[in-house]
Amino acid sequence: KNQVEQSPQSLIILEGKNCTLQCNYTVSPFSNLRWYKQDTGRGPVSLTIMTFSENTKSNGRYTATLDADTKQSSLHITASQLSDSASYICVVTDIMFSGGYNKLIFGAGTRLAVHP
Amino acid sequence: GAVVSQHPSWVICKSGTSVKIECRSLDFQATTMFWYRQFPKQSLMLMATSNEGSKATYEQGVEKDKFLINHASLTLSTLTVTSAHPEDSSFYICSAREGVNQPQHFGDGTRLSIL
Repeated sequence: KNQVEQSPQSLIILEGKNCTLQCNYTVSPFSNLRWYKQDTGRGPVSLTIMTFSENTKSNGRYTATLDADTKQSSLHITASQLSDSASYICVVTDIMFSGGYNKLIFGAGTRLAVHP
Repeated sequence: GAVVSQHPSWVICKSGTSVKIECRSLDFQATTMFWYRQFPKQSLMLMATSNEGSKATYEQGVEKDKFLINHASLTLSTLTVTSAHPEDSSFYICSAREGVNQPQHFGDGTRLSIL
């Protein structure tokens, strides 16, 4: 069964510190891997997207890495801010050849709390 | 960028009531829209996929008579929770995409509370 697992489940850090969130997946083959940020009570917002041939992608203070051989991805947040407090969700796009549409496989997310 | 709008953002109603949630793509034509359900501290679970002008495809375990989906135009899909009960209380999120290889854009969700 295609799965996406994230760790840690939750994380508390102090403002200004860096942190790294992990994502392991078994989806194969896959089209792309995205990291989303979901604020409480809001919909997910895309931070980064990587295809299987990309190793890293940055978006401001967010840097995602991908190792397609070990099926691992990480999201590194630099110089955290209070507004970074949110859930971060790893999403792998499955390739479903029947019907032709790609299905998103969601991880359970990491809940990050940034404290002053 | 692409914007997907959901309405209402929060609804509280009595048990037995039917509730309709709207999902609109504001600046693109959404050939496919998706409806998700999210329980507290859990990730999004796909309920159904709808293509404009076609019947929705429901995921296993999702009652199609309970969750009615209509995708009558390229910019609007609706989810109607019929005869809602407290166990239907959840956060419902829609997403939309323009084409098969296009990214999904998510709405801000609708929090449904059934008393």
